[in-house]
Amino acid sequence: DSGVTQTPKHLITATGQRVTLRCSPRSGDLSVYWYQQSLDQGLQFLIQYYNGEERAKGNILERFSAQQFPDLHSELNLSSLELGDSALYFCASSVAGGTADTQYFGPGTRLTVL
Amino acid sequence: ILNVEQSPQSLHVQEGDSTNFTCSFPSSNFYALHWYRWETAKSPEALFVMTLNGDEKKKGRISATLNTKEGYSYLYIKGSQPEDSATYLCASLYSNYQLIWGAGTKLIIKP
Repeated sequence: DSGVTQTPKHLITATGQRVTLRCSPRSGDLSVYWYQQSLDQGLQFLIQYYNGEERAKGNILERFSAQQFPDLHSELNLSSLELGDSALYFCASSVAGGTADTQYFGPGTRLTVL
Repeated sequence: ILNVEQSPQSLHVQEGDSTNFTCSFPSSNFYALHWYRWETAKSPEALFVMTLNGDEKKKGRISATLNTKEGYSYLYIKGSQPEDSATYLCASLYSNYQLIWGAGTKLIIKP
């Protein structure tokens, strides 16, 4: 158990809908990362937050947005969902988001868009 | 576009044999190289973080080396065991905090 929690574990929804995925980092970690893993694809980095501020942006679609709250938990919002958004979404956290920081991954949220 | 490549894509190794695989990354503006182990139905787990050219890290039977000038890292597993079966991911961090992940090497240990 990495100490990173993600809810829900599974989510099934329809195209065009909007969902929110939630992540609580390990106690004391200030940085949160979001990743997408689609079928037969590697991990795609979406976005990183550090202490409430956006630090780095990867291949995140405009339909997706994220935020990190004062209590350091983070939410990833996915809107106008398409079939291709079906994937496993991981959240990870690290102490400070520095160059040599280890990232600790949560169990993931599996999103299925029908 | 930054691209991290891992080879081979998959590898079958007899139990007890040693093995190694490669992570290649652009060396310009490089900050750190991460190795993770990802077992099926679990989350990625950190193995090593390396930053300096010539760095070597070891954890039990697994070790890694880093060459930042030529942009590659090797992961070695000595005396493979069935529990080593997993996908091994590397990720390279750059000065803009972009962490670029390779597609992984899937290692299967045959008993």
